[in-house]
Amino acid sequence: AQSVTQLGSHVSVSEGALVLLRCNYSSSVPPYLFWYVQYPNQGLQLLLKYTTGATLVKGINGFEAEFKKSETSFHLTKPSAHMSDAAEYFCAVTSRGAGSYQLTFGKGTKLSVIP
Amino acid sequence: DAGVTQSPTHLIKTRGQQVTLRCSPKSGHDTVSWYQQALGQGPQFIFQYYEEEERQRGNFPDRFSGHQFPNYSSELNVNALLLGDSALYLCASSLGWAHTEAFFGQGTRLTVV
Repeated sequence: AQSVTQLGSHVSVSEGALVLLRCNYSSSVPPYLFWYVQYPNQGLQLLLKYTTGATLVKGINGFEAEFKKSETSFHLTKPSAHMSDAAEYFCAVTSRGAGSYQLTFGKGTKLSVIP
Repeated sequence: DAGVTQSPTHLIKTRGQQVTLRCSPKSGHDTVSWYQQALGQGPQFIFQYYEEEERQRGNFPDRFSGHQFPNYSSELNVNALLLGDSALYLCASSLGWAHTEAFFGQGTRLTVV
C-alpha cells in the first residue's frame, strides 16, 4: 500500500519569496516520486520526478525537490516565486516492483502568489 | 507531436444514463491509465490498459469499464451514472505498463444532473 500526505491545502507566498510545498509518502517498497502542476481547467503537467540515483532532483520552471528516505519526504522548493507559479500542485508516488505502477496522489496544495 | 488528447472536453448527463469518454495517447505510447479527479481532490486511479487488456484496477465499482483498441486509444465507460460521478476524468499515457513517467491529457469534465 502507498499513500501521500501534502501538508497545507493552501499556501500563499509573496512574489520573489521562497516556495516550499511539503509532501510525505508511505510505501512498503522503494518509491518513485513525482510532482505535478495543474492550472485551472487543465490536465496535469510533470514538474519533476525521482526514480533512482541523485536525491536532489531539478525540474522545469526552476523547481527542485529532495528525496529524504529517513524522513519519507519529497518537498518541492523554488527559490523565488513568480506570478505564473500560481496553480495547484500534486505530489504522487508509485512503487517499483510488485507489478503495480499506478500513481497515488496527494490531495494537492493550491499555491497563491501575492504581488 | 500531439500529446494526449481527450474527448469531449465537457459533458452533461442525467443520473442513470451511460457515458463514454475517449482518449488518444501520446505518439509512441502504448499504455493508457484513467483517473477520476473530484472537485478539490487529487486524481484517483481507475484502471490501466496495456496490450488491449485491463492490467490494474483501482477501487472503483464495475459500473466503470474500459477498452483499449489496437491503435492504443482507449475508452472509459460509466453505466448507471450517479451524482457522485461528477468529476474531471483524466487520461494518462506512458510507454510500457512499468512506466516511470505518465503524460496527462486535458481531461473531460463530466457533470451528472
